[in-house]
Amino acid sequence: DAGVIQSPRHEVTEMGQEVTLRCKPISGHNSLFWYRQTMMRGLELLIYFNNNVPIDDSGMPEDRFSAKMPNASFSTLKIQPSEPRDSAVYFCASTSGYTDTQYFGPGTRLTVL
Amino acid sequence: AQSVSQHNHHVILSEAASLELGCNYSYGGTVNLFWYVQYPGQHLQLLLKYFSGDPLVKGIKGFEAEFIKSKFSFNLRKPSVQWSDTAEYFCAVIHPEGKLIFGQGTELSVKP
Repeated sequence: DAGVIQSPRHEVTEMGQEVTLRCKPISGHNSLFWYRQTMMRGLELLIYFNNNVPIDDSGMPEDRFSAKMPNASFSTLKIQPSEPRDSAVYFCASTSGYTDTQYFGPGTRLTVL
Repeated sequence: AQSVSQHNHHVILSEAASLELGCNYSYGGTVNLFWYVQYPGQHLQLLLKYFSGDPLVKGIKGFEAEFIKSKFSFNLRKPSVQWSDTAEYFCAVIHPEGKLIFGQGTELSVKP
């Protein structure tokens, strides 16, 4: 299996621009999670989906952040408009069961200038 | 609220030294516990996990962890570290709703 796939791996953009991060979970996994990692705040859960339905988005920092999962094999995390404080590594993870092991993607390193 | 606490922010060891990283969690019910490792510039990888059964769990690369329910602890150990073990280590517990709650991480630096 290819594992969790994320794109792009690196994104540099200017403040105010829209950013879209993409994730393809492991085939057969029905739960998907978006995390953000920064030096200051560590790993934060932003949102997670079960069977393509958002279950808990309480970690999404602001309305500028939105996430979708139109089907079982694809999810997006969008930031519009982006701000320098959004600079972080964004990880996607998937699992076959709620309480089972989560497998992480390689992450997207976002830099907002 | 459920939380995970890792006692050490940064640990520095020489090669061949023994390692123990502390982890305590706050949830009193049945828990699934994990240790993840993040090598420099890489993504998180599962080191080991405990769901049930033998409280002494063996993982990859010679790591092991012991679940002590009475102490709400899940400490990570390795008898002899190598330079290649330099990484950040995260303890995590699964919330009943399925959220993975991470500790703040412990950065391990191993001197050759």
